[in-house]
Amino acid sequence: DARVTQTPRHKVTEMGQEVTMRCQPILGHNTVFWYRQTMMQGLELLAYFRNRAPLDDSGMPKDRFSAEMPDATLATLKIQPSEPRDSAVYFCASGGLAKNEQFFGPGTRLTVL
Amino acid sequence: GENVEQHPSTLSVQEGDSAVIKCTYSDSASNYFPWYKQELGKGPQLIIDIRSNVGEKKDQRIAVTLNKTAKHFSLHITETQPEDSAVYFCAASIRDTGRRALTFGSGTRLQVQP
Repeated sequence: DARVTQTPRHKVTEMGQEVTMRCQPILGHNTVFWYRQTMMQGLELLAYFRNRAPLDDSGMPKDRFSAEMPDATLATLKIQPSEPRDSAVYFCASGGLAKNEQFFGPGTRLTVL
Repeated sequence: GENVEQHPSTLSVQEGDSAVIKCTYSDSASNYFPWYKQELGKGPQLIIDIRSNVGEKKDQRIAVTLNKTAKHFSLHITETQPEDSAVYFCAASIRDTGRRALTFGSGTRLQVQP
């Protein structure tokens, strides 16, 4: 069945290292969202794309985070350099054109030591 | 921007009882209100949604109500079962061609006691 996939599922890294998270949206969906979930802040929107073009990345720290969609089947979120405060679960969600529904992937649990 | 508040933060009920979770939103332009269920170690799963042109929607044991005037909406789960135990999130967004990012509530941890 159609679902959003994310890799890796878990990532442990040291402060200062680059982290790349990948997302494969549901085939045919043209909107991709990146959310971050922490106990303190809950679910926060970082960025989203429609038809591979960034529409809003105001929730993302620009100095260290970057989000791209190299093609319609791949979205990436990079953190460089990573910091302990980036530790969180990062979710990707995708949505179709006609409806507002968003379908979430299983998330990437990032731990920065 | 939109602000969504959700109550209660935790809710414990006996199996078979009903559970109600309430949310309020601030932006009167919001017109799409989904509810998500998140189980431990998984991503949020859409369980039901409502658009502002309707006041109530039901799907088996789950129902949502919307009061646009008061800007609040609620999730009702009847005949609760242990597998309903999870964290539930409400959200709001504007359904138009330009923006569809969701603003989430802070979540409600529902515990159904067998």
